[in-house]
Amino acid sequence: DAGITQSPRHKVTETGTPVTLRCHQTENHRYMYWYRQDPGHGLRLIHYSYGVKDTDKGEVSDGYSVSRSKTEDFLLTLESATSSQTSVYFCAISWTSADTQYFGPGTRLTVL
Amino acid sequence: DAKTTQPNSMESNEEEPVHLPCNHSTISGTDYIHWYRQLPSQGPEYVIHGLTSNVNNRMASLAIAEDRKSSTLILHRATLRDAAVYYCILSGDYKLSFGAGTTVTVRA
Repeated sequence: DAGITQSPRHKVTETGTPVTLRCHQTENHRYMYWYRQDPGHGLRLIHYSYGVKDTDKGEVSDGYSVSRSKTEDFLLTLESATSSQTSVYFCAISWTSADTQYFGPGTRLTVL
Repeated sequence: DAKTTQPNSMESNEEEPVHLPCNHSTISGTDYIHWYRQLPSQGPEYVIHGLTSNVNNRMASLAIAEDRKSSTLILHRATLRDAAVYYCILSGDYKLSFGAGTTVTVRA
């Protein structure tokens, strides 16, 4: 199994508070991704990174920002959480843009 | 992005083969056919992928039609651990579009 961890695994927060989710990899993969999964929508890409300090938007990036200061860490930040951001968040990694993606265990976020 | 069509659900008996169809009539020449699965409460897991030729690995086989407009994922002997949602995805780059997938139920 690819060495991917996500923290926290569960979080409950209140509307308007900032939240940061962390994805950590031990595989030295260049590409890292953040997805969210909601009932009826499957997984949707939020942001991705193709190298340290190189990031780009996915299909549902509004309300989210990301940072990647080290190869192994990719942070997802909700500057001001809203109830619509209640979801399960998955991180993924891949060697290249067209390569197999390996997913982390997920973070369940609840915004009250 | 090219779309895929999968049945919503399929049932199988343990130790029997499972054939999961996927239609992708608008596939482009550079699209790979990927299959991922997601077990309950886990992240998606890579199963197999191919471009034109049939592919086999330790988890499954992928049979691709000659015109590439459809494919079939084959689980040769289903186990209870194979109960999951299976996603058929077309992609030539990082973009993986996960649809609803096929929910596979395995009966003991």
